[in-house]
Amino acid sequence: AQTVTQSQPEMSVQEAETVTLSCTYDTSESNYYLFWYKQPPSRQMILVIRQEAYKQQNATENRFSVNFQKAAKSFSLKISDSQLGDTAMYFCAFMKLSGAGSYQLTFGKGTKLSVIP
Amino acid sequence: EPEVTQTPSHQVTQMGQEVILRCVPISNHLYFYWYRQILGQKVEFLVSFYNNEISEKSEIFDDQFSVERPDGSNFTLKIRSTKLEDSAMYFCASKYFSQETQYFGPGTRLLVL
Repeated sequence: AQTVTQSQPEMSVQEAETVTLSCTYDTSESNYYLFWYKQPPSRQMILVIRQEAYKQQNATENRFSVNFQKAAKSFSLKISDSQLGDTAMYFCAFMKLSGAGSYQLTFGKGTKLSVIP
Repeated sequence: EPEVTQTPSHQVTQMGQEVILRCVPISNHLYFYWYRQILGQKVEFLVSFYNNEISEKSEIFDDQFSVERPDGSNFTLKIRSTKLEDSAMYFCASKYFSQETQYFGPGTRLLVL
């Protein structure tokens, strides 16, 4: 079974600054995806960024980038130039790809990020 | 852009009553999921559905739960006899066959009294 750990229950950052959210995971799988989802106060889950485990290059999406360390099983999210709209709960999630399966997501407990004006 | 929709957005029910939560996945998606999130806790997988049958379910998904795709567009989650601990946000998600990303609906907030 996979586990995902987010060790920072809450974080805050000044507007326009950079913040890094941590995520570690435990798995025996070699082929998987990792995701960061954002859940604003509206509660809808929105995909922020994804990373394929077999790709060494870190994924980037505009102001969002990840630091994927496969050997360390670490997958942190960096948000640059933080904006007020980034205020949300951020969930790290794991999806295995091997074998027969449903590609279900395993989530961490989340990090509540507050962007301060 | 296509999106997953869910109805109702909120539902209040009495303990022991049956509820049906509805989802319309993105039209060309083939994998469908239900997740739940108890207030303040992480999102948990309930069940996945592919090719008109359950492909995987968690230990949470007991005999009180069932899923159905009755008409090729809707995907429903039924809770036969609700318990207080079923109070949660229920998210539907869908995924295209060859892609890895699951797209989530806005959720249904269920409150069992």
